[in-house]
Amino acid sequence: GAVVSQHPSWVICKSGTSVKIECRSLDFQATTMFWYRQFPKQSLMLMATSNEGSKATYEQGVEKDKFLINHASLTLSTLTVTSAHPEDSSFYICSARDLGQGNSYEQYFGPGTRLTVT
Amino acid sequence: LAKTTQPISMDSYEGQEVNITCSHNNIATNDYITWYQQFPSQGPRFIIQGYKTKVTNEVASLFIPADRKSSTLSLPRVSLSDTAVYYCLVGYGGATNKLIFGTGTLLAVQP
Repeated sequence: GAVVSQHPSWVICKSGTSVKIECRSLDFQATTMFWYRQFPKQSLMLMATSNEGSKATYEQGVEKDKFLINHASLTLSTLTVTSAHPEDSSFYICSARDLGQGNSYEQYFGPGTRLTVT
Repeated sequence: LAKTTQPISMDSYEGQEVNITCSHNNIATNDYITWYQQFPSQGPRFIIQGYKTKVTNEVASLFIPADRKSSTLSLPRVSLSDTAVYYCLVGYGGATNKLIFGTGTLLAVQP
């Protein structure tokens, strides 16, 4: 099946710094990718929809100036957490759908990135 | 987007069949039903997807009644490694379709 990778798998940063997380579709093209955030023992919460070549669409309550999304190519989307604070510590997960799979509606998820802000 | 309701948790023993039911009363005509499995600190993993009646693959079966207002994920002969959170999602399979996760069901398999 299609594979989605994320880098880094975990990162620790100091409060006030920015962190970039990459999401790549390794063997398929994705015009749309999704970014989720998951706090401990909670469900995945959709943050935004990343669109190749255009602006991302953010869910209600998600600060677009704090969580910068860039979908530079059909295989890469990045999420930058700007001026990170301890409350931004979370598990960030991206997903994408393989348009080349015909009638399959399966979305593929990355392995996630654990962000810890100290 | 259709809202889903699942039991918060379930307990089972190794070798048993486990059935997890999901309620989705306002499912739309074009919506598919998809189940994902998630282990701690990992991304969700696709289990099975269906539109109506019954779907079976190498790991699970999905039963969908005619009115499609609910669905049941069936895991045959579970093992300890099946302990995870299981999510039921409904949505139309367009390229920009957003998947909204519910609370999920924590399945605990005991020896």
